Amino acid sequence: QSVLTQPPSASGTPGQTVTISCSGSRSNLGNNFVYWFQQLPGAAPKLLIYRSNQRPSGVPDRISGSKSGASASLAISGLRSGDEADYYCASWDDSLSGPVFGGGTKLTIL
Amino acid sequence: QVQLHESGPGQLKPSETLSLTCTVSGGSISSFFWNWIRQSPGKGLEWIGYGYYSGTTNYNPSLKSRVTISVDTSKNQFSLHLTSVTAADTAVYYCARQNGGSSADFDFWGRGTLVTVSS
Repeated sequence: QSVLTQPPSASGTPGQTVTISCSGSRSNLGNNFVYWFQQLPGAAPKLLIYRSNQRPSGVPDRISGSKSGASASLAISGLRSGDEADYYCASWDDSLSGPVFGGGTKLTIL
Repeated sequence: QVQLHESGPGQLKPSETLSLTCTVSGGSISSFFWNWIRQSPGKGLEWIGYGYYSGTTNYNPSLKSRVTISVDTSKNQFSLHLTSVTAADTAVYYCARQNGGSSADFDFWGRGTLVTVSS
């Protein structure tokens, strides 16, 4: 059981917008930033969003993140086949004194 | 560009000690927090712990009694030792750089190395 809760799956057709949610508690998302990672099949995770809504260099602006209270979401617009991957949210947890992850959401492009 | 590369044995027997090394290139290890994260087959990500060049460490409480992470600034490497392994420790082990304390800002990752525990 992961500390952060994500839906196990999401799907969309090319060009659509999909949103992936991540919920936590006061000790993690409620007090700290959310981070989002994309894991393509057979690859290591890649940082997509940091500090809740910032994109690292090279991440397109069709990918965005937001956070409100102890919930966060990742939005991907203009879906492409290359977006098919697992997506993980993460945050620092003040009670654990360490980072925690969501269970991951598998995004399927229909 | 910072690059990380994991190395170490891919097969272990139950009760043995898992030892992995992560070599950092393209940047100094004498800053940032250096983490180990694992992923069991078909499962999600689990944070194991981190080390800092000063010797500071922080471990996941669920693994704390079996884990040691150390940083070698002379070799620009950091290592993971996990004792008394069982089949439940079978996973892909990733090393990752954490950009700042009290965050989950893992901005650079190694490719990962699969460790299988089996008799």
